[in-house]
Amino acid sequence: AQTVTQSQPEMSVQEAETVTLSCTYDTSENNYYLFWYKQPPSRQMILVIRQEAYKQQNATENRFSVNFQKAAKSFSLKISDSQLGDTAMYFCAFMTQGAQKLVFGQGTRLTINP
Amino acid sequence: DGGITQSPKYLFRKEGQNVTLSCEQNLNHDAMYWYRQDPGQGLRLIYYSQIVNDFQKGDIAEGYSVSREKKESFPLTVTSAQKNPTAFYLCASSTGTGRLSPYGYTFGSGTRLTVV
Repeated sequence: AQTVTQSQPEMSVQEAETVTLSCTYDTSENNYYLFWYKQPPSRQMILVIRQEAYKQQNATENRFSVNFQKAAKSFSLKISDSQLGDTAMYFCAFMTQGAQKLVFGQGTRLTINP
Repeated sequence: DGGITQSPKYLFRKEGQNVTLSCEQNLNHDAMYWYRQDPGQGLRLIYYSQIVNDFQKGDIAEGYSVSREKKESFPLTVTSAQKNPTAFYLCASSTGTGRLSPYGYTFGSGTRLTVV
């Protein structure tokens, strides 16, 4: 079975701090993409960052970066210089060539405090 | 601009009624999906369709039905058989049909369904 586990249901940090959200996944396939989605209070799902499994280099998007450990099946998200607007639910997900649909984790509720 | 439109944004249903949630996309995507989200929870897959006139059950299909008569449209009907329909419903699409979508899904803005 293909699964995603986010072990931190809630996290809270002060503005400008760095925070890391954990994610592990399980799949027997070799060709897949990994994603982090953000869901703010508006509930719109927003793609934050993505990683291609065949690329060893970790993806970065401005203040967001990932630590992708393929052998360990780990895909953590680091948010640097956190801002109040980063307050949201964050979902880790992956999509394989075989399944052709996203498998989501349960989410981590992140609160950035002023 | 291309995107996914879900309507209505808020929907109220009486006990025993069927209701239909609309999802339309103009992205020329082959695959479309319906997810249910309960408060503080993750997304659970209801139904998905990878091609017109074909669809598959997801993890929680009981009490729901779908159709895919046009590539652009994938409406979801919440039937009276769904005992606890109050939730947030998200529609999504992707390139699908055997191609691994590098951008995952494009999501609609969701429909909040409440049973009154």
